[in-house]
This record gives sequence, structure tokens and C-alpha cells, in this order.
Amino acid sequence: GNSVTQMEGPVTLSEEAFLTINCTYTATGYPSLFWYVQYPGEGLQLLLKATKADDKGSNKGFEATYRKETTSFHLEKGSVQVSDSAVYFCALPGSARQLTFGSGTQLTVLP
Amino acid sequence: DVKVTQSSRYLVKRTGEKVFLECVQDMDHENMFWYRQDPGLGLRLIYFSYDVKMKEKGDIPEGYSVSREKKERFSLILESASTNQTSMYLCASLGDYQPQHFGDGTRLSIL
Repeated sequence: GNSVTQMEGPVTLSEEAFLTINCTYTATGYPSLFWYVQYPGEGLQLLLKATKADDKGSNKGFEATYRKETTSFHLEKGSVQVSDSAVYFCALPGSARQLTFGSGTQLTVLP
Repeated sequence: DVKVTQSSRYLVKRTGEKVFLECVQDMDHENMFWYRQDPGLGLRLIYFSYDVKMKEKGDIPEGYSVSREKKERFSLILESASTNQTSMYLCASLGDYQPQHFGDGTRLSIL
């Protein structure tokens, strides 16, 4: 079945630093790919998505490009803020419309 | 915007109790899901439902059951709560196309 391998955390950065969180996947075909974010004390929110190869999803300064050659969907942001501190999850659909998630990466941004 | 509401943000129960977690969505979605979130494990699917009175086991259904008597409501039941069921529980709904929409979660402690 489909699976996701996500960079383990925690990750601690200073404000304005560059962020990369790695995500690779194993899947049949070319499913849509997602990044979700979970702020402290909240549920998951969709951060961005890409529906086909070479698509770039973007939102709130975050970007991720669907790379079928390397089966990757790495999350990047050029300049993180303290308010970006959260847990980030990479995900893709399974066989029954559920989502298969990576283990999550805790990001802490220090002022 | 889709709204998924979980009845409790925090819940404390005792070992052996029967526990009900409720989830309601307001978008007439057919698909609903219950996930469990644990540190380092990401989200794992417990049960899902693609229609009223229909249910399917996910990856970790042992010790749980579900009920879907109305389209908008999907309940997770811990038949006899145990300490290893202490966790964050997340409900999600899905319409015709991804992505899923999540509630804020219920943090359940079993003493």
C-alpha cells in the first residue's frame, strides 16, 4: 500500500532561517500529495497540496514540489517566523480514501 | 468552509469505562474517519465510514467500535477503556475529492 517517510524532528530554527522538511513516498500511480499543519492545541489544517507531477503547491510562504523522479514532496520556506512553530505532516491518499500520514515533524522557531 | 466539530477537547475517564467520542460535520459529506495521533507515529486510521450505517476497519480497530446512524454524525466507542488508549483522537470528513477536513481533536486520558 501507499506509504510516507518523513524527516524526523524535532527541528529548531531561528527566526528568518530557511526551512526544509523532507518527505518521500511510495505509491501506486500518481496520487495527490498533501502537507498538513497542526498548531498547538488544534486539529490538522491543510497547508498545501499538489495533484500531479511537477505541480508546486504553495501557501503562507511555504512551497512543495511534486517530484515523481525522486518520489518526493519536500516542504520549504525561505524565512520562518515564530508563528510557524507547529507539527507538520506529509500525507497521501490510501486505497479507501483515507489519508496515510508521515510521523510528523515538530518545528520550533526561536525569536 | 467545512466545519467538523468534536464534542470534547479534553476527556478523562477510568479504566473499564465505556467511552463515546462524538463528531459532527456540516457539509453533507459521505466519508468520515477516526484517527488516533501519538508522538512519533503520526496519525493512524481506526475506522472509517463511507455512508450511513456503513463502517470499515482501519489499521488499528482493536478495542474500538463506531456508529453512524446519521450522515452528519460519526461516533467512536471505546467498549472498555484501557490506559493504552490514552491519546489524541481526530475526526475527519471528506466529500467527493480530497482533502479531508479535520476537527480540533479530543485529548483522551484513561486513568
